[in-house]
Amino acid sequence: AQTVTQSQPEMSVQEAETVTLSCTYDTSESNYYLFWYKQPPSRQMILVIRQEAYKQQNATENRFSVNFQKAAKSFSLKISDSQLGDTAMYFCAFMNPAAGNKLTFGGGTRVLVKP
Amino acid sequence: GAGVSQSPRYKVAKRGQDVALRCDPISGHVSLFWYQQALGQGPEFLTYFQNEAQLDKSGLPSDRFFAERPEGSVSTLKIQRTQQEDSAVYLCASISYGPVYEQYFGPGTRLTVT
Repeated sequence: AQTVTQSQPEMSVQEAETVTLSCTYDTSESNYYLFWYKQPPSRQMILVIRQEAYKQQNATENRFSVNFQKAAKSFSLKISDSQLGDTAMYFCAFMNPAAGNKLTFGGGTRVLVKP
Repeated sequence: GAGVSQSPRYKVAKRGQDVALRCDPISGHVSLFWYQQALGQGPEFLTYFQNEAQLDKSGLPSDRFFAERPEGSVSTLKIQRTQQEDSAVYLCASISYGPVYEQYFGPGTRLTVT
């Protein structure tokens, strides 16, 4: 069974600065997908960024980028130029397409962006 | 609608009551997922449908939990004889396939069992 671990329960960052969230996972699969989801206080889960395991290039989406280290089974998220609207819970998630596409989530990291 | 919708948004049930939670997925999405999110934790998988077929129900915590999707679109998660430990947010998601594999989530239903 896959497990996903987020070791930082809470992070705070000043507006316009950079914060990095860590995520490690455990799997014996070679083909899988990794995701970062954002969950604001309103509760709607929103996809931030996605990484296919077969791609060596790290994914980027505007101010969001990942550092994917497949051998180390590490998948960190960097938020650059933090904005007040980035305040939310962030969840790292793993998906194995061969196992029905269900997501396995980490415990989450609460990010607070301070003005 | 444009996104996944869930109803009710909030539900308070007395212990022992039955509840039914509804999910309307994005039109055309074949697969639908239910997750349970306890307070302060990450969501946990409950069950998964492809069209009307329930392909995986390994995450359902007990036989008091039952899910259905009879016509391959709307899904209902039913919890019988609710217990306090059932209090959580229940999230529904539907998926668009390849090459994105992105799950789109609804706003959730917050169930409080008193």
